[in-house]
Amino acid sequence: DQQVKQNSPSLSVQEGRISILNCDYTNSMFDYFLWYKKYPAEGPTFLISISSIKDKNEDGRFTVFLNKSAKHLSLHIVPSQPGDSAVYFCAAKGTGFQKLVFGTGTRLLVSP
Amino acid sequence: GAGVSQSPSNKVTEKGKDVELRCDPISGHTALYWYRQRLGQGLEFLIYFQGNSAPDKSGLPSDRFSAERTGESVSTLTIQRTQQEDSAVYLCASSLGPDTQYFGPGTRLTVL
Repeated sequence: DQQVKQNSPSLSVQEGRISILNCDYTNSMFDYFLWYKKYPAEGPTFLISISSIKDKNEDGRFTVFLNKSAKHLSLHIVPSQPGDSAVYFCAAKGTGFQKLVFGTGTRLLVSP
Repeated sequence: GAGVSQSPSNKVTEKGKDVELRCDPISGHTALYWYRQRLGQGLEFLIYFQGNSAPDKSGLPSDRFSAERTGESVSTLTIQRTQQEDSAVYLCASSLGPDTQYFGPGTRLTVL
């Protein structure tokens, strides 16, 4: 069963606009969530994270929002830049568990 | 400082052969993880090491897969009698605490 779902396999956005990537989870034991960015032929790069005690975390152009009641999180990138074009993975973990459970990724394309 | 390194970056092998993949974690990181990503899929947890504790092997897909870690340093993932479905990118990650994991560039394994 897919405990972390990224239902949009791809997203296209114009440079300067907002990119919104979504992620849903089913396991209520998850309490820590991360976003990773992956370029081709490279490993995933940590982007931003959020603990379940918060509903928002911001780092520069990147903001992650968490809605625990809906079991939904989203990553906002404002303003989007062509260098943001990559595959974005949502990941989650639960207290006492070290393994990350990943979504299948969303490919973001930011066009100039 | 140096990030997580993996070798080889690419490995092509024939079905039935054994392969060894190596991971050098970030110095001082006590936890080490192996994941794999098959084509078009998300990252799949394989195994986790934390200090001298017994490893969490719950993600290993079969007994053909094994991994070792010497202390808090290098880890080796071994796949015996490789099959075509083992073809994937094998990713190693390390972490200092229980949360953010930092990934290496991966080893692309192709089983012919």
